Amino acid sequence: AAGVIQSPRHLIKEKRETATLKCYPIPRHDTVYWYQQGPGQDPQFLISFYEKMQSDKGSIPDRFSAQQFSDYHSELNMSSLELGDSALYFCASSEFGVNTDTQYFGPGTRLTVL
Amino acid sequence: AQSVTQLDSQVPVFEEAPVELRCNYSSSVSVYLFWYVQYPNQGLQLLLKYLSGSTLVKGINGFEAEFNKSQTSFHLRKPSVHISDTAEYFCAVTGLLGGSEKLVFGKGTKLTVNP
Repeated sequence: AAGVIQSPRHLIKEKRETATLKCYPIPRHDTVYWYQQGPGQDPQFLISFYEKMQSDKGSIPDRFSAQQFSDYHSELNMSSLELGDSALYFCASSEFGVNTDTQYFGPGTRLTVL
Repeated sequence: AQSVTQLDSQVPVFEEAPVELRCNYSSSVSVYLFWYVQYPNQGLQLLLKYLSGSTLVKGINGFEAEFNKSQTSFHLRKPSVHISDTAEYFCAVTGLLGGSEKLVFGKGTKLTVNP
């Protein structure tokens, strides 16, 4: 079965640079969620989109922005990167109203900020 | 708002022994409950979920969990573990408000299965 695809899988950036993470949801899934997992931490919710509209917002820094496109893929844009942004970034997808919106996760993008 | 407490940060067990990973939640609304597993350097894989109905739910890899509303618990169990079960296990909750609900995770329990 098709899974959530995230790219790139690994990313190394310098402080103050920008990064763009991409997420391709499971086919027919219309909702995308972004989570950040710091080293040794639990995943923390950043932001979600349903049908290209932001549906919820968590502890996402103002330096980060995200959007969902017409093909339902999503991009997380991160600017003015800081050392503390080094983390594993997960994307999850679900189908609204189906199977109670169970979220399926991608393999994650490991961002390292030097 | 919801919160999740995983009572044990680390659980070491021997191969073929039974294991229970404990999870308690707090919520002002009805919830859905999930267990996810994360193998080293990998993503989160859904183990099982409680949505409604029978309080005993079975998942993949021989795991099961029991929802106890009065004790607000959702403990994960396996009668006989394998070396390959070594991983981090996250309990998570989402509110029953209808769609696009974020997951709130516990801090995780690192299960180590020793030969």
